[in-house]
Amino acid sequence: AQKITQTQPGMFVQEKEAVTLDCTYDTSDPSYGLFWYKQPSSGEMIFLIYQGSYDQQNATEGRYSLNFQKARKSANLVISASQLGDSAMYFCAMREDSGNTPLVFGKGTRLSVIA
Amino acid sequence: DVKVTQSSRYLVKRTGEKVFLECVQDMDHENMFWYRQDPGLGLRLIYFSYDVKMKEKGDIPEGYSVSREKKERFSLILESASTNQTSMYLCASSVDRLNTEAFFGQGTRLTVV
Repeated sequence: AQKITQTQPGMFVQEKEAVTLDCTYDTSDPSYGLFWYKQPSSGEMIFLIYQGSYDQQNATEGRYSLNFQKARKSANLVISASQLGDSAMYFCAMREDSGNTPLVFGKGTRLSVIA
Repeated sequence: DVKVTQSSRYLVKRTGEKVFLECVQDMDHENMFWYRQDPGLGLRLIYFSYDVKMKEKGDIPEGYSVSREKKERFSLILESASTNQTSMYLCASSVDRLNTEAFFGQGTRLTVV
């Protein structure tokens, strides 16, 4: 069963606007971590932000914030004040804490920022 | 800086060849992963390893094997390459702590003809 679901294959946003990229996950492990990565056209994978399942507050890193709704099992990425350089693929990923578990990814969302 | 290095950026192989993709990390990470990335399918886990000589199958292990004889090196082996294994292959490594990110290599684009 797919553990990470990203339902938006592609998104467009106007420069300087905020955008939300959706991610839902499925786990029965009470302890887990959620990650977002960015992959520009160059192909490198860039880590953006992390949220732990026991973290009380939503994670923030500069213009990136993670809207973590534990009961709904969602971990949406919010990018504020979009820039042209934000155009890329974005991947949500999860790792469970129950010993020797891998990092699993969703299918990704391609974000295009329009001037 | 953590460095994960994949031996080739681009590779072209013939159907039926045995193919080795090498990945080396320089930060003493316990965990190493091999993914393949295809358009519309995201990153799919082939195999991962949490220690030397330890390996676990991921979601799509068929047609692949792995080797981890030393902590820093994780090799992906295509026993008999087929055209449906044409893809981008990404290696990653991480410390064995939940709240730390994985670091990725630059990827190997493999074409099987």
